[in-house]
Amino acid sequence: EIVMTQSPATLSVSPGERATLSCRASQSVSINLAWHQQKPGQAPRLLIYGASTRATGIPARFSGSGSGTEFTLTISSLQSEDFAVYYCQQYNNWPPKLTFGGGTKVEIK
Amino acid sequence: QVQLVQSGAEVKKPGASVRVSCKASGYTFSVYYMHWVRQAPGQGLEWMGWISPNNDGTNYGQKFQGRVTMTRDTSITTAYMELSSLTSDDTAVYYCARDPSGTTPDYWGQGTLVTVSS
Repeated sequence: EIVMTQSPATLSVSPGERATLSCRASQSVSINLAWHQQKPGQAPRLLIYGASTRATGIPARFSGSGSGTEFTLTISSLQSEDFAVYYCQQYNNWPPKLTFGGGTKVEIK
Repeated sequence: QVQLVQSGAEVKKPGASVRVSCKASGYTFSVYYMHWVRQAPGQGLEWMGWISPNNDGTNYGQKFQGRVTMTRDTSITTAYMELSSLTSDDTAVYYCARDPSGTTPDYWGQGTLVTVSS
């Protein structure tokens, strides 16, 4: 099983600042990496797939990068609605056995 | 608009089974995969598996093999997830989520809380 490790567990950021979230895979997943956002009491929402492609309707302040085992989600200027938990998810091989990282909580500083 | 409406909360005793349904609308149900993902209280996301639009093939996570069954009824655009031999560790919110390719859920249902308690 491919293990996904996210850091930090909690990130304290002021509104308007940049947030950088990291995700590491236990083995290479190429660019088969997605990011999901989850707000309290809500279902997750897909933000990024293919490591760097924004999903439909996702604002340009969200960007993804990386390949292989190291990935980054950057939120360029945090808005109030961006405070949430973010999960990375890999989907390597076929059929894929999806695995999620443990999540990074982005909280207001 | 895309909607995935899941069945209501369930309370089950240890050893029982639970079936959760997911009614889809607003898109072509027959060409999308359907994932099931669960989230224990205060914990992260755990993938359980998917059912394919191709001959209803399934792909289950190893942890759930032998204990989970995913089915779908295209005529009523509804997917089902049945989990058997429940223990308290199965207490979680269960989500269905559609996917055009079998790799990345792109739209999630609202979740169904399953509580396992004696």
